[in-house]
Amino acid sequence: AQSVSQHNHHVILSEAASLELGCNYSYGGTVNLFWYVQYPGQHLQLLLKYFSGDPLVKGIKGFEAEFIKSKFSFNLRKPSVQWSDTAEYFCAVNYKAAGNKLTFGGGTRVLVKP
Amino acid sequence: ETGVTQSPTHLIKTRGQQVTLRCSSQSGHNTVSWYQQALGQGPQFIFQYYREEENGRGNFPPRFSGLQFPNYSSELNVNALELDDSALYLCASSITGQGSSYNEQFFGPGTRLTVL
Repeated sequence: AQSVSQHNHHVILSEAASLELGCNYSYGGTVNLFWYVQYPGQHLQLLLKYFSGDPLVKGIKGFEAEFIKSKFSFNLRKPSVQWSDTAEYFCAVNYKAAGNKLTFGGGTRVLVKP
Repeated sequence: ETGVTQSPTHLIKTRGQQVTLRCSSQSGHNTVSWYQQALGQGPQFIFQYYREEENGRGNFPPRFSGLQFPNYSSELNVNALELDDSALYLCASSITGQGSSYNEQFFGPGTRLTVL
């Protein structure tokens, strides 16, 4: 079955610390990969996406992610977090064979302490 | 803001009742997908509507049904509500038919359903 795993449920950081959130997905052929963010009380927003090409993808707000095909991973990184990065982060995969739907990971709740 | 709106914002129902949730897609978008996000979990795909027909379905029972209207807006109906149906229901709109196998989905703010 197609599935997406996020390694950490909760992460607590201080401002200026570096952030890395893990995401692994099960094999299912060709994939498109996404990271979404959900700030408290707000809707899901797209941070970045990978369809093809350079496996290092840059997104909004200083986030980037690296696609490692051999490891079925798409980890999210930010070199220096801010208090405003407090949110829940979701990795999502579109398995092309399954059509235009997204399979989400369970989410990682990130708390950045000022 | 994505331009995708959902109503109502919150809803409280009792077990066994029926509920209808509504979604208006972003201007120009012809496809609507529905997701269920239980507390502490990621969204799970319920189904997708395109050209007023179901165009893919996740692992949800038949008591979850939907409609899409000519203006591309959509409804999610859930019959015989169960306690486990308590969740945030998300609608996402996208465009099908641009020649791409995947088209970005834009999410609405969700409807929080509580079943007592």
